[in-house]
Amino acid sequence: DVKVTQSSRYLVKRTGEKVFLECVQDMDHENMFWYRQDPGLGLRLIYFSYDVKMKEKGDIPEGYSVSREKKERFSLILESASTNQTSMYLCASSLTRAGGNQPQHFGDGTRLSIL
Amino acid sequence: AQKITQTQPGMFVQEKEAVTLDCTYDTSDPSYGLFWYKQPSSGEMIFLIYQGSYDQQNATEGRYSLNFQKARKSANLVISASQLGDSAMYFCAMRRTRIYNQGGKLIFGQGTELSVKP
Repeated sequence: DVKVTQSSRYLVKRTGEKVFLECVQDMDHENMFWYRQDPGLGLRLIYFSYDVKMKEKGDIPEGYSVSREKKERFSLILESASTNQTSMYLCASSLTRAGGNQPQHFGDGTRLSIL
Repeated sequence: AQKITQTQPGMFVQEKEAVTLDCTYDTSDPSYGLFWYKQPSSGEMIFLIYQGSYDQQNATEGRYSLNFQKARKSANLVISASQLGDSAMYFCAMRRTRIYNQGGKLIFGQGTELSVKP
């Protein structure tokens, strides 16, 4: 089974802090994704990566950056945390960039609170 | 632009009954894929079922089936014989595009919260 591991289930940070959310997958997947989930809005794509050192903006990239130095690891960075970034963050991976019937496999999520 | 719509914010169903969760989509791409995910209160997203736009048969996976009506652009999830453990948020999602390096991206609906009553 695919395992996607997010470093924290719950995180509390202060406004202005630099925040790192880490995600690791163990199945050699090409694609990795970061979403945020807010009530009534579903999942919105922040950034994704289809190869090491490659990244592309999703629908809501403002205030975030990402890093993918190794294939198995995809980090989300909040450069200067703000209260409107309080949310549930979900990491996902999928096998290849071609898509097809491959599902995305998700981590357990990180509930981030910015005070 | 591609879009997924789930119009039922919340649903209730009696244990052992069947329930249908609605999903409509909008795309001009002739090739697309539709996914359903389950999210229990613990937070993890669990893949349930997939339907490709060219698939001749409706997809089925155990108690889950997908009522795919291409002309209506709907892909409703049917859960038969509901169990208490089916209580969760359910998301419909669509693979966004055929462009090669974008093919893994999904667009999600707003979700439907299903509560199963004993």
